[in-house]
Amino acid sequence: DGGITQSPKYLFRKEGQNVTLSCEQNLNHDAMYWYRQDPGQGLRLIYYSQIVNDFQKGDIAEGYSVSREKKESFPLTVTSAQKNPTAFYLCASSAGQPGRTEAFFGQGTRLTVV
Amino acid sequence: AQSVSQHNHHVILSEAASLELGCNYSYGGTVNLFWYVQYPGQHLQLLLKYFSGDPLVKGIKGFEAEFIKSKFSFNLRKPSVQWSDTAEYFCAVSLYSSASKIIFGSGTRLSIRP
Repeated sequence: DGGITQSPKYLFRKEGQNVTLSCEQNLNHDAMYWYRQDPGQGLRLIYYSQIVNDFQKGDIAEGYSVSREKKESFPLTVTSAQKNPTAFYLCASSAGQPGRTEAFFGQGTRLTVV
Repeated sequence: AQSVSQHNHHVILSEAASLELGCNYSYGGTVNLFWYVQYPGQHLQLLLKYFSGDPLVKGIKGFEAEFIKSKFSFNLRKPSVQWSDTAEYFCAVSLYSSASKIIFGSGTRLSIRP
C-alpha cells in the first residue's frame, strides 16, 4: 500500500535532548512537509522540501532541523533549542506540481518532553 | 505573509442541520484550495479541492465548497449533517507561485448532537 509512515507513534524524551522523528513515503512524491499541531492552533508549517537536497523554513522553524538526502525520507530533528517541543507532529507529502498539490498525511508522532 | 483564517473555532449542531464553515485566505495571486477532515484518532484526509474551473466543488460524504475569488473565501457546506461528521475540519491553501507550500487554518471543531 502506498502511503506515509511516521515512527514512532509516541515518543518521550528528557528536556535538553535532541530527538529525531522519522517520515518515509512511497508515493514517489517530490514534496514533503513537517507540521506541528497544537490544540486551537491548527497545523503550523515547520519545514518543507520541494526536491531532494533542498528544503525551506516554514513559519515556525526555530529549534528544528531537517534533511532530505533521499526522495522517500524527510526526518525532523527537534533540538534542545526548541522551547516548547511537546506537541503532535505530522508529516505529509505531495506531488508538488501545479494542479497536483494536495497533501497526504501520516498518522503523526506525539512527542512528550519531560 | 500569507494566512488562512477559520473564524469558527467550535460549531455545535443537531443531526440534519445544515452546515457552513467559513474559510478566508490572504494572498493576491492564484491559489489552490483544500478542505481536510480529521476524525477522532484518524489521519487527516482530503475532503475536497479546488484548482480551477467551476468554483463550486463537490467532495466526499456530501460536502461541497464554493470558491469566491472576490471575497478570498472557500466556505465548506453540507445540507444535512450526521453524527458521524463529528470531527475537526481544516481549510488549506497552496500558493500557485510556490506550488509546494501549503498553509493551514487553525481548524474548526464540529460536534454533532445525535
